[in-house]
Amino acid sequence: NAGVTQTPKFRVLKTGQSMTLLCAQDMNHEYMYWYRQDPGMGLRLIHYSVGEGTTAKGEVPDGYNVSRLKKQNFLLGLESAAPSQTSVYFCASSFDPLVGYTFGSGTRLTVV
Amino acid sequence: DQQVKQNSPSLSVQEGRISILNCDYTNSMFDYFLWYKKYPAEGPTFLISISSIKDKNEDGRFTVFLNKSAKHLSLHIVPSQPGDSAVYFCAEDTGNQFYFGTGTSLTVIP
Repeated sequence: NAGVTQTPKFRVLKTGQSMTLLCAQDMNHEYMYWYRQDPGMGLRLIHYSVGEGTTAKGEVPDGYNVSRLKKQNFLLGLESAAPSQTSVYFCASSFDPLVGYTFGSGTRLTVV
Repeated sequence: DQQVKQNSPSLSVQEGRISILNCDYTNSMFDYFLWYKKYPAEGPTFLISISSIKDKNEDGRFTVFLNKSAKHLSLHIVPSQPGDSAVYFCAEDTGNQFYFGTGTSLTVIP
């Protein structure tokens, strides 16, 4: 099925561990985004990409890195996880930033 | 097949009138539904939510209605204001996964 696939769906990390979240889309979208969702905060933009090989910082980029080596994949890395990074992470892609977003199903990350 | 569908990509409403944004879902289990609002160049912000044990939730000008038999969710904005012009997403939280609609772009005409 066409859409946005996030892996993994759940993860528990110890403080200081690293991990990479993968977002894959098969719709040939140029724009891809990583958000985090926290209670009472809504979705906050971490990083985004407007095309292969490009990345840009969003609202809350600290503690995260991203890469867009291939158009269909957008990776979000945590180099040294902290409890404050416990959250639900969403990836999204779009062909037009104004409308037509497709979201992944989320990754629930707990850092202990 | 999409779990959550927003079949209207855009909607235009006169200022002061009611805006009704619609969302259909396929899952029939006990779930939690949310509406988000997104301005250009900003991340989506949470607007209002409803648990599937309720059929209505109201917060100021915003009311969400849930029709479980029709598997239909709607957001009413009354009265609509120009500042409400944005993209609105509905989402379903099953407890294990989130499913988002593709969004409806609302334009409120002054």
